[in-house]
Amino acid sequence: DSGVTQTPKHLITATGQRVTLRCSPRSGDLSVYWYQQSLDQGLQFLIQYYNGEERAKGNILERFSAQQFPDLHSELNLSSLELGDSALYFCASSVGPDLYNEQFFGPGTRLTVL
Amino acid sequence: GEDVEQSLFLSVREGDSSVINCTYTDSSSTYLYWYKQEPGAGLQLLTYIFSNMDMKQDQRLTVLLNKKDKHLSLRIADTQTGDSAIYFCAESVGNNDMRFGAGTRLTVKP
Repeated sequence: DSGVTQTPKHLITATGQRVTLRCSPRSGDLSVYWYQQSLDQGLQFLIQYYNGEERAKGNILERFSAQQFPDLHSELNLSSLELGDSALYFCASSVGPDLYNEQFFGPGTRLTVL
Repeated sequence: GEDVEQSLFLSVREGDSSVINCTYTDSSSTYLYWYKQEPGAGLQLLTYIFSNMDMKQDQRLTVLLNKKDKHLSLRIADTQTGDSAIYFCAESVGNNDMRFGAGTRLTVKP
């Protein structure tokens, strides 16, 4: 158990819809990272927040957005969903602000878009 | 774009050494990583190496970096059945992006 929690575990929705994925980092960690893992694209870094502020941005689509709240939990919002958005979405957390800080991964949220 | 490439499968016998290879193309990579993913789980950082190093050893794990050829390898000594998993090579480029390979599925046969 990494100490990072993600909800929900599974999510099934339809094209065009919007969903919110939630992540709680390990106690004491200030950084939260979001990743997408799909069969087509492999594992991709989406975005990082550190202490409430956006810190680094990877291959995140404009239809996706994220935020980190004062209690340090984070949400990833996915809108206008397409079939290709079906994937496993991981959240990770670390103590420090840098990408090379050791990241601890949550169990993931499996999103299925029908 | 820049790619991180790895072979998709590796099969070894228990007790043998495993060597997983990776090539990357971005010469500005600062850190290179090896992650392990077991079935149904998230990624676990195994080890990482700074780009100005050429070797790092951590118990059964040895990472070799050939910066000239942009080649990274992970050697697992005395491979055990519990090492069966998917291993991802990754690079961080500056402090703004991380790129992952497709993962190598290691199967350890008893």
